[in-house]
Amino acid sequence: QSALTQPASVSGSPGQSITISCTGTSSDVGNYNYVSWYQQHPGKAPKLMIYDVSNRPSEVSNRFSGSKSGNTASLTISGLQAEDEADYYCSSYTSSTIEVFGTGTKVTVL
Amino acid sequence: EVQLVQSGAEVKKPGESLKISCKGSGYSFTSYWIAWVRQMPGKGLESVGIIYPGDSDTTYNPSFQGQVTISADKSTSTTYLQWSSLKASDTAMYFCARRVDFWSGETTNWFDPWGQGTLVTVSS
Repeated sequence: QSALTQPASVSGSPGQSITISCTGTSSDVGNYNYVSWYQQHPGKAPKLMIYDVSNRPSEVSNRFSGSKSGNTASLTISGLQAEDEADYYCSSYTSSTIEVFGTGTKVTVL
Repeated sequence: EVQLVQSGAEVKKPGESLKISCKGSGYSFTSYWIAWVRQMPGKGLESVGIIYPGDSDTTYNPSFQGQVTISADKSTSTTYLQWSSLKASDTAMYFCARRVDFWSGETTNWFDPWGQGTLVTVSS
């Protein structure tokens, strides 16, 4: 079970938009619309931000959106804010019936 | 409030055994899978395995098969992650998380909530 591939870091200025990619295979991202995204601040537990590729929990800001094309899912953060600085992880259901996580992306707000 | 509360930090020596816990409340504990997730220092999230407390059906990440044991006690709404012989490489933060795979009449897949994490340190 190999981790999904994410860029190690992405940065942007306040107010800008950034996109984080998450690349898997036809055994995970490409075969299921069950990709979720998690935000993790230092020393904290992960927090659900997006589920089922593009659905957003009610308590999550609408500045966060998700999409998928083929074996690659993406998380976009628009109107970047200082509080968005954190690590982000994607996750996908797999044909092994257990989820796989992405390698993680550190988002820096310049 | 739906929540998962994990046991406290542990410091152990190589070769010792350990069992950490994750107690659920605020929802039907036997109706949702619970996942255990490892995060080594400065590293990413890794699935260890999942358990369905309703019948203790368990699936392990092949990388962890035989290295740990996941169990559940329905009577106390608690799941456990245990080691029989710890190694220094087991040093990590371990999170539990509720896996939701059916919601509002539709299949889905996400982890929420998460426990606060249990830091396991293995050092001689």
